[in-house]
Amino acid sequence: DIQMTQSPSTLSASVGDRVTITCRASQSISSWLAWYQQKPGKAPKLLIYKASSLESGVPSRFSGSGSGTEFTLTISSLQPDDFATYYCQQYNSYSLTFGGGTKVEIK
Amino acid sequence: QVQLVQSGAEVKKPGASVKVSCKASGYTFTGYYMHWVRQAPGQGLEWMGRINPNSGGTNYAQKFQGRVTMTRDTSISTAYMELSRLRSDDTAVYYCARDRNYGDSGTFDYWGQGTLVTVSS
Repeated sequence: DIQMTQSPSTLSASVGDRVTITCRASQSISSWLAWYQQKPGKAPKLLIYKASSLESGVPSRFSGSGSGTEFTLTISSLQPDDFATYYCQQYNSYSLTFGGGTKVEIK
Repeated sequence: QVQLVQSGAEVKKPGASVKVSCKASGYTFTGYYMHWVRQAPGQGLEWMGRINPNSGGTNYAQKFQGRVTMTRDTSISTAYMELSRLRSDDTAVYYCARDRNYGDSGTFDYWGQGTLVTVSS
């Protein structure tokens, strides 16, 4: 299986900050990467697919970039609603795998 | 509107089996693959497998091969996930999640509310 490694595991930030989360794949996955946001007690929500395509209804402050093995999720100006855990997920191989998650906390 | 409604929480003993249902509405059930993802308490997301609701064909993560069975009943637009030989580390919230694309893209745009399965003696 393709291993997905996210960093950092926890991130402390303030409202208005620019936040970047990194995801690395153990082998090339082209652009077959998605990002999800999850809040406590809730199901994950799709934010980004195909590395950089914004899902319908997702605010434009979220953006994704990268290809091959290195990817980033950027929140341009952190809002109160954005404090959550973020997961990357590869879908290059038939067996899908998630990163370990990055918790974005209030500083 | 698309909705996935899962069955309620379960408590099982080690060695038993559990079957979780996921009733879909608001779209053509047979047109979109259904995936199952689980999350142990305080842990990350783990993909378990997928089912093609049209053909019934399945693909399971290697970790669950031999213990998981995914089925569907197209007459009631419901997908099922059965996990057997339960262990304490199977305690988790189990989610069904619809594939984003007509067919199978490997991304998930709609999720069920989750079903907590607790395995305890």
